[in-house]
Amino acid sequence: DAKTTQPNSMESNEEEPVHLPCNHSTISGTDYIHWYRQLPSQGPEYVIHGLTSNVNNRMASLAIAEDRKSSTLILHRATLRDAAVYYCILRETNSGNTPLVFGKGTRLSVIA
Amino acid sequence: GAGVSQTPSNKVTEKGKYVELRCDPISGHTALYWYRQSLGQGPEFLIYFQGTGAADDSGLPNDRFFAVRPEGSVSTLKIQRTERGDSAVYLCASSLWGQPQHFGDGTRLSIL
Repeated sequence: DAKTTQPNSMESNEEEPVHLPCNHSTISGTDYIHWYRQLPSQGPEYVIHGLTSNVNNRMASLAIAEDRKSSTLILHRATLRDAAVYYCILRETNSGNTPLVFGKGTRLSVIA
Repeated sequence: GAGVSQTPSNKVTEKGKYVELRCDPISGHTALYWYRQSLGQGPEFLIYFQGTGAADDSGLPNDRFFAVRPEGSVSTLKIQRTERGDSAVYLCASSLWGQPQHFGDGTRLSIL
């Protein structure tokens, strides 16, 4: 799987939007961009994924650059519960059940 | 519904002892994964089962580590002759084919 690069940490004020960046300059045409997050003392949880078009779900939005070399996870209104480590992961389209390859992620702190 | 369950949540044992860690996946999930997470790092893949068979065990660090899933549901990760370097959080995840992985909260293993 191609490598991703994320900032080590970010900070946000509560109730403000948060934009978490991810660079993946060596992404291939068949790689999906997945985001997981890990709250303190819990296992990772799936957030969102996409291929080319921007995606929205109840948790977040995913904005994918036109050249697909970067993407941004958007939390529209950060809450204290969103404080977690966020992982950006690439997976091949037809990878079926292949394991996830985690980096160190971005640790998001939310200030009340 | 019930998520992935891991037991015990914490395990403390002495160097050289044998340990077993259990994972109950989400009912109906055919894929089951084991990961290991050291402090400050992202989860690291150990082994993946599709049904009863190990489809990929390339992440197991050495022959002291072994995992089974005899009936295609519950899985047990077994570590022989434990060493202090085995101390970590061991995470289990399950999924349907090609779908996001669902993680348990892990077993925190401490080797004294």
